[in-house]
Amino acid sequence: QQQVKQSPQSLIVQKGGISIINCAYENTAFDYFPWYQQFPGKGPALLIAIRPDVSEKKEGRFTISFNKSAKQFSLHIMDSQPGDSATYFCAAKGGSEKLVFGKGTKLTVNP
Amino acid sequence: DARVTQTPRHKVTEMGQEVTMRCQPILGHNTVFWYRQTMMQGLELLAYFRNRAPLDDSGMPKDRFSAEMPDATLATLKIQPSEPRDSAVYFCASGLTGTGAEQYFGPGTRLTVT
Repeated sequence: QQQVKQSPQSLIVQKGGISIINCAYENTAFDYFPWYQQFPGKGPALLIAIRPDVSEKKEGRFTISFNKSAKQFSLHIMDSQPGDSATYFCAAKGGSEKLVFGKGTKLTVNP
Repeated sequence: DARVTQTPRHKVTEMGQEVTMRCQPILGHNTVFWYRQTMMQGLELLAYFRNRAPLDDSGMPKDRFSAEMPDATLATLKIQPSEPRDSAVYFCASGLTGTGAEQYFGPGTRLTVT
């Protein structure tokens, strides 16, 4: 119940395309859903986050879509750029400060 | 700018040796987390502290790992004795209670145990 399932494991997108990464959870006590971006040799960094009282949050080219009834949320990267090539992690939190992370998606954006 | 610092950045050691990793959280942050990252397991939470008190170390192998916060500016993770399966990148993260759980990660310590 504490797991967050993330797919796909890897994703290759052409420059200018849309990248979509999906996550699913079981624990209905989760109340905070962040996405982290990690470049090689660096620590993960918060990209964007959402709470379950909204269905969508947009920051620049990055959008989180949240479906509370389906217990799913996804990250959309519009107009993907080679500089977006990184590993993306979804995560969830509820009841404590602990974050439960998905396994990660390695995104490659080809020029 | 404020950031989490970790030392050393890289550590190569032989099996059986003690390893100590250090973390300086962002000044003013009251939560500290230790994670281990491997290709197979992804990001695993090993332990976390709030106001220097250990709250959860259930992710940590108890017989060889220990985590402490001697003061608010220093967190340590020790492995004694180290084993090849401990080879991984260890991240420290810090945050504030009640701010949406945002965690700020350090650059990590890449540990190789031969």
